[in-house]
Amino acid sequence: AQSVTQLGSHVSVSEGALVLLRCNYSSSVPPYLFWYVQYPNQGLQLLLKYTSAATLVKGINGFEAEFKKSETSFHLTKPSAHMSDAAEYFCAVSDIGTASKLTFGTGTRLQVTL
Amino acid sequence: EADIYQTPRYLVIGTGKKITLECSQTMGHDKMYWYQQDPGMELHLIHYSYGVNSTEKGDLSSESTVSRIRTEHFPLTLESARPSHTSQYLCASSDRSKGEQYFGPGTRLTVT
Repeated sequence: AQSVTQLGSHVSVSEGALVLLRCNYSSSVPPYLFWYVQYPNQGLQLLLKYTSAATLVKGINGFEAEFKKSETSFHLTKPSAHMSDAAEYFCAVSDIGTASKLTFGTGTRLQVTL
Repeated sequence: EADIYQTPRYLVIGTGKKITLECSQTMGHDKMYWYQQDPGMELHLIHYSYGVNSTEKGDLSSESTVSRIRTEHFPLTLESARPSHTSQYLCASSDRSKGEQYFGPGTRLTVT
């Protein structure tokens, strides 16, 4: 069975500071990994995905994530936070074999302050 | 660009009413999903479909039902709405091989 753990339900950073949102996964088979962003009263938008190619994945809006198999981690980073980055972020995992259902983490709410 | 639509976006309805939440996608995706999400909370899979005439219950038990008669359409029905059904419902679809899911904007349902 797969699972995702997102450390920190709320993260607050100053505008211009580094954003680091943590995600650890558990999977018995090689995984696909995803980060989604959700703005208030909207659906989820795909930020980036890891599908066994490059371990450093670049996504939209300046975000990137690094797949570290030894640490079973897929942390999301952005060098400089912007006010518009304030949203809920979800990490998700599926297995390469079926590429079907996603298992989501509980989400991290990012707050960006002046 | 993913095109997946949900209607209505917001619905306030009285207890006991029958409702259908619509979800359509124009990408020809085989797989479609319904999630339930309470405000600020995680997503719970309640139904999914891997193709026409295929429907399965998800990880979270739900009193709703779904149908998949056409590839592009995956409606969710509640026969008798209750206040406990108040939540946000998100529809998603995915390509057979790529894995990532594309989400609609959601329907926020309030049952009074």
